[in-house]
Amino acid sequence: EAGVAQSPRYKIIEKRQSVAFWCNPISGHATLYWYQQILGQGPKLLIQFQNNGVVDDSQLPKDRFSAERLKGVDSTLKIQPAKLEDSAVYLCASSLESSGRETQYFGPGTRLLVL
Amino acid sequence: AQSVTQLDSHVSVSEGTPVLLRCNYSSSYSPSLFWYVQHPNKGLQLLLKYTSAATLVKGINGFEAEFKKSETSFHLTKPSAHMSDAAEYFCVVSEYNTDKLIFGTGTRLQVFP
Repeated sequence: EAGVAQSPRYKIIEKRQSVAFWCNPISGHATLYWYQQILGQGPKLLIQFQNNGVVDDSQLPKDRFSAERLKGVDSTLKIQPAKLEDSAVYLCASSLESSGRETQYFGPGTRLLVL
Repeated sequence: AQSVTQLDSHVSVSEGTPVLLRCNYSSSYSPSLFWYVQHPNKGLQLLLKYTSAATLVKGINGFEAEFKKSETSFHLTKPSAHMSDAAEYFCVVSEYNTDKLIFGTGTRLQVFP
């Protein structure tokens, strides 16, 4: 079974530029998550989708971050404009359903450096 | 609100000796608890999870954890460390009745030959 795929793996941009990350979850997984992991910290949930609907985006900085999952499968996360403090690893995860006890499977992440 | 505290930011052991990574949780409800491992430049991998069944949970690669409600702890152990165990380990609690995972700050495990 293929795992969660993410691209690109690495991205370097200058502040005020825009950037987009892509995630393809495990086939059949209805729930998709985006996390931000700042160096030295644990991942923090940015947004959760159930199929193509948003379940929780309470910690997404909506003035600069946006995410979509239009067909309920793959998803993109965008930052526009980027700030220095956005330097982090962006992790995508998926789970079979939304039950509170499901295992989340993580992709390898996209490492973003904002200069 | 739920939270987890990982008591050690770094743990160093010799190969073949026991591993103990400590985690305390805070929760108003019966929590779901997880341990994830992160190897350099790789995704997070689930080691084990507790969801109110048996209090001693066995995971992959010889790891296990015991849920102790009286001590609000969920420590991760392994009888004998292997060089390949060197990684970052995260203790995680899920918010009540949601999928939202709340991660600890991580413990970096070093294994010396």
